[in-house]
This record gives sequence, structure tokens and C-alpha cells, in this order.
Amino acid sequence: GAGVSQSPSNKVTEKGKDVELRCDPISGHTALYWYRQSLGQGLEFLIYFQGNSAPDKSGLPSDRFSAERTGGSVSTLTIQRTQQEDSAVYLCASSYLGQPQHFGDGTRLSIL
Amino acid sequence: GENVEQHPSTLSVQEGDSAVIKCTYSDSASNYFPWYKQELGKRPQLIIDIRSNVGEKKDQRIAVTLNKTAKHFSLHITETQPEDSAVYFCAASYGAGYNKLIFGAGTRLAVHP
Repeated sequence: GAGVSQSPSNKVTEKGKDVELRCDPISGHTALYWYRQSLGQGLEFLIYFQGNSAPDKSGLPSDRFSAERTGGSVSTLTIQRTQQEDSAVYLCASSYLGQPQHFGDGTRLSIL
Repeated sequence: GENVEQHPSTLSVQEGDSAVIKCTYSDSASNYFPWYKQELGKRPQLIIDIRSNVGEKKDQRIAVTLNKTAKHFSLHITETQPEDSAVYFCAASYGAGYNKLIFGAGTRLAVHP
């Protein structure tokens, strides 16, 4: 079926507001990853979910960032009290165990 | 800590020439090394990957080589075409297994007709 789906595609919000970004992985993929890409930069790892294991949160930049994955499928990345430095493209990827990661189109987040 | 360095940051070639992008990684336990191509405003797309049990892999005009002893790997594109123009990212899995990817900073490749 379809590839990794992310919503919204664009989000503009005021500094201090909370935002939620959604990722729908490819059906059957057990692993889900969030990355952040700042303008003109590489991809920075944020968090990784694999099946029912505890997520690897080692890349989250601060405690304002959190993510959950419900029912082993859809994931939501939440950023609380947004700051201007949070402006970036947030990319989600999914994979079947041991297989390459496939990326969504990302959510472009702009903090005013 | 985990780190992937990528060079050069920009590369300009004439159509038909070859292009080589090099990466080094720090975690000796890394065993999976993909390359992604990202066109402007698009998602990263996997173009080739290599696992640590092989030294080279080819797919038409694209090849990747891996030197585990030196902890470096390279992307080779032959007979470049204008549609090869994009940003290319190397990555290495962190730790054993197919885990989170640590990405290089990217190489902007421009192929001039």
C-alpha cells in the first residue's frame, strides 16, 4: 500500500504553543523513527520505537519533546512550549526489522 | 560518541564524469550503511545500502565501497546525469543491528550539462 504518511505537511505556530505531529507508518512495519532536519542540514535522530520494546529516546533534545506510538502503529511527536529553534522539518521513517528505513514527506514546522 | 563525517559538502561535475562522496564513522559496532538521495523539498530516498559482511555493492551506475578496518565508506556515481543533482546523505547504524541511523551532514551534488 501507501508509503509513510505524515500530517500536517506544514504547521505554523506561535512561540510557546504546543504542537502535535502525526506519523502513519507503512503497514506491517514494526520499527518507527523520528528525525529532525534543520534548514540545509543533515538528519538528526530523535526517537526510535521497535515493537513492544521501550523506545530509544536518546536523541530528544529536551524534555519539551515527547513521542508515543499507540497500538504499534501510528505515532505522535509532541513539542511543548515551542521555541524558534524548534523550526525544522520533522521526518518520520518506518521499517520492517532488518530492512531499510522508508521516509515520509515530513512536517515543516515554523515557529513565529 | 556516535558520529558520521561526510565529504565534500558540495561537489560540482560535468555530465558524464564520475562523482565520489566519502564518509567515516566512529562506532565500530555499526554494521549497516545506507545512502539516501534528497531532491529539493522531497523526502530522502534510499539509493543503495551495504552491510558489513561485504566490501562493495553495485547497482547500475551507483556503487558503494566499505572499509571496516578504516571505518569509512564511499559512494561512487559513474556517467553522471543532470537528474543526479541532489543532496546525498550517508548514514551508519548505531550499534549492532538495524537501529537508529546517524547521518552525515550531506553533499550537494550539481551535475552540469
